[in-house]
Amino acid sequence: KAGVTQTPRYLIKTRGQQVTLSCSPISGHRSVSWYQQTPGQGLQFLFEYFSETQRNKGNFPGRFSGRQFSNSRSEMNVSTLELGDSALYLCASSLASGGRNWDEQYFGPGTRLTVT
Amino acid sequence: KNQVEQSPQSLIILEGKNCTLQCNYTVSPFSNLRWYKQDTGRGPVSLTIMTFSENTKSNGRYTATLDADTKQSSLHITASQLSDSASYICVVRKAYGGSQGNLIFGKGTKLSVKP
Repeated sequence: KAGVTQTPRYLIKTRGQQVTLSCSPISGHRSVSWYQQTPGQGLQFLFEYFSETQRNKGNFPGRFSGRQFSNSRSEMNVSTLELGDSALYLCASSLASGGRNWDEQYFGPGTRLTVT
Repeated sequence: KNQVEQSPQSLIILEGKNCTLQCNYTVSPFSNLRWYKQDTGRGPVSLTIMTFSENTKSNGRYTATLDADTKQSSLHITASQLSDSASYICVVRKAYGGSQGNLIFGKGTKLSVKP
């Protein structure tokens, strides 16, 4: 079974630009979550999508948005990039229903975003 | 406030030695606790999950313990290998609600195993 894939793996953008990151979950997984990881803050929850609906949102500004498509693939968008947005953005998918490990998340390799 | 604190922040050990990583949490109500291993440049991978009734669980050379009374967990690595060099992240899930937004993440312990 293929794992979670994220594209692109690396990205360099200029302050003020916008960026779209993509995530393809494991086949059959309906929940996709996004995280920002920085050395100082660790993993921080951005939002979760389940069956095309945003189920929960972390404490990030409205510049961060996302969506999920009917095939469970998800995208996140960051508008008006700031230097502080430089981070590793991780996507994770989970079954989110049934079974003992219903909530176990499988992470993708991440997209390394650098804002200059 | 729901928090997960990990110690130490970083650790250097020699290959073949054992080590123990600590995780203290104040999350309530508690559902489960996971330990993840994150290799450099890769996403975290789940090592083990502990529920309220479980005290010890092993996964190869990794053994996790949970004391739900004191709200402490540890991850013990036996006979360390160079491939154990990674960050280890403790994640606690609040009970009630299936959203991944109910997860509280520790900042991780960075382990370096030297030859």
